Amino acid sequence: DTGVSQDPRHKITKRGQNVTFRCDPISEHNRLYWYRQTLGQGPEFLTYFQNEAQLEKSRLLSDRFSAERPKGSFSTLEIQRTEQGDSAMYLCASSPNTGEAFFGQGTRLTVV
Amino acid sequence: LAKTTQPISMDSYEGQEVNITCSHNNIATNDYITWYQQFPSQGPRFIIQGYKTKVTNEVASLFIPADRKSSTLSLPRVSLSDTAVYYCLVALRTNAGKSTFGDGTTLTVKP
Repeated sequence: DTGVSQDPRHKITKRGQNVTFRCDPISEHNRLYWYRQTLGQGPEFLTYFQNEAQLEKSRLLSDRFSAERPKGSFSTLEIQRTEQGDSAMYLCASSPNTGEAFFGQGTRLTVV
Repeated sequence: LAKTTQPISMDSYEGQEVNITCSHNNIATNDYITWYQQFPSQGPRFIIQGYKTKVTNEVASLFIPADRKSSTLSLPRVSLSDTAVYYCLVALRTNAGKSTFGDGTTLTVKP
């Protein structure tokens, strides 16, 4: 499968714990995006990378959230001190310099 | 990021053609229009992208009038498996993943 891969698909964590998600984009895509989606809503843009540089962060990305793409390939999204309001689907997408973005299957986070 | 407006929901029957219209009054000169389909618990799936006039691929057609302030996704002969949420986005083709998703249109196809 050469699509965007996200791991894990599901994560249940207790409030206050830290969680980390991984995204492996399509190999030749230099742009990588993170979105968050809550039930019944469309995805909300969080941040994006061009190669290893994080070029933009949404105001939705609080101080407890951090994203990295250390070698311009895979990316991680970490949430520290999780809160119940963090429960959502976290989506990763990648795109080439020009052209459409392709999304992964997402990581479903449940904070209990 | 340009805002888009779509109907919240639509119903159709198997075999019919479905047209979903999206308004994007603030579209910028360099923005492209992209449509995605999303099934529950899955990521959005690219359907079609266009800049102006008409674009057609194996699953859909996209009609864009000259002023580009709206677009219409046309799904020919829908089946039950086309029941999904459809999102219209506008974004730079050089930064296609940085988009504003609205709440989409929930299409329900009935037998």
